[in-house]
Amino acid sequence: NAGVTQTPKFRVLKTGQSMTLLCAQDMNHEYMYWYRQDPGMGLRLIHYSVGEGTTAKGEVPDGYNVSRLKKQNFLLGLESAAPSQTSVYFCASSYGGINGYTFGSGTRLTVV
Amino acid sequence: DAKTTQPTSMDCAEGRAANLPCNHSTISGNEYVYWYRQIHSQGPQYIIHGLKNNETNEMASLIITEDRKSSTLILPHATLRDTAVYYCIVRRTGANSKLTFGKGITLSVRP
Repeated sequence: NAGVTQTPKFRVLKTGQSMTLLCAQDMNHEYMYWYRQDPGMGLRLIHYSVGEGTTAKGEVPDGYNVSRLKKQNFLLGLESAAPSQTSVYFCASSYGGINGYTFGSGTRLTVV
Repeated sequence: DAKTTQPTSMDCAEGRAANLPCNHSTISGNEYVYWYRQIHSQGPQYIIHGLKNNETNEMASLIITEDRKSSTLILPHATLRDTAVYYCIVRRTGANSKLTFGKGITLSVRP
């Protein structure tokens, strides 16, 4: 039982490049989330999904796109990376309701 | 969702109980209190949650005051591995309700 798996774990991008971060969960969770964490800022919600085929904006969605084509996967895309997107990205999933979230181990992204 | 207030940091001795306070004076009747922790560089980890009754699991106990305006997370026998940032979060249920993280409290467990 792997839980929530994020790939890649580390990545360095040049400004203007694009990339996709993959989040996969094997718990049959309905809900999935993408957060970013910056020093001194805490975790901030980027986008989330309440089920396969659905996505919604969170607190800081600008510069990111997401897709949830399969229930177990939630993809976060950066179309044109900027240095301000240097951060640690965490994916989470949940059954919904009052259940807690299960987080992945994070992706450390540096944009130079 | 209601806002929470936590001290910035605290420490405790290994083997002692760690009592982490949280104020949520504007909490509504349908909002739950959640606790998560984040050990350095790792993803946050769910600890416990409650509505109005005290809760206990294998990790910790959650004590919620009768007026629900504050709560305390208790780690009964703190170990060095409990050193982490602990987040107290108030959240209502529902499809569009999300976890909103504050800055949390940094717990340092000393040998």
